[in-house]
Amino acid sequence: GAGVSQSPSNKVTEKGKDVELRCDPISGHTALYWYRQRLGQGLEFLIYFQGNSAPDKSGLPSDRFSAERTGESVSTLTIQRTQQEDSAVYLCASSLGVRQGAFFGQGTRLTVV
Amino acid sequence: GESVGLHLPTLSVQEGDNSIINCAYSNSASDYFIWYKQESGKGPQFIIDIRSNMDKRQGQRVTVLLNKTVKHLSLQIAATQPGDSAVYFCAETLPPDRGSTLGRLYFGRGTQLTVWP
Repeated sequence: GAGVSQSPSNKVTEKGKDVELRCDPISGHTALYWYRQRLGQGLEFLIYFQGNSAPDKSGLPSDRFSAERTGESVSTLTIQRTQQEDSAVYLCASSLGVRQGAFFGQGTRLTVV
Repeated sequence: GESVGLHLPTLSVQEGDNSIINCAYSNSASDYFIWYKQESGKGPQFIIDIRSNMDKRQGQRVTVLLNKTVKHLSLQIAATQPGDSAVYFCAETLPPDRGSTLGRLYFGRGTQLTVWP
């Protein structure tokens, strides 16, 4: 597709369950970002992939969070043993590379009940 | 740096007026900046970018000004319309030799723009 695609768009899960969020970046984009956004707040950095470099995982809030990316394609963000405080919109963005505009998907709204 | 705190700054303007949204960025070595617009329930939308070798860049109805001396970025929206109502974020990138991860974007806290008819 033409833009960044995220799935699912909405996810309701029970506390303690694992969830997997998917991001399909724009074709050819080497850089991929994950951010978290709680209601009415700013963007909280989670993880950044740039080409073949080691990912910047410095924003992951706990070891329950992990992300993978296969080459320059799909990325998955996994949250294990979800907690209510994990409820947020998870946003993915991709860019052609360094100092290129990053373009966001519409996000996955995660609700932990 | 990044801020995810509560109580976004707000700006209210009348339809047709010009809007100026300001952003103080954190690192004097930052060399690339982007403005994003985020409407309720949507992902951030790229508006305009600027590199540090420029001090002004214009797009359609928008102008970004960069003042490196005081580490200040502004977004000017001409003839503001109700559809411009959104949260606006600035983002910066550091060069890799400044200790940052190559290309990582650092977001400001955002400003809520409300346009009254």
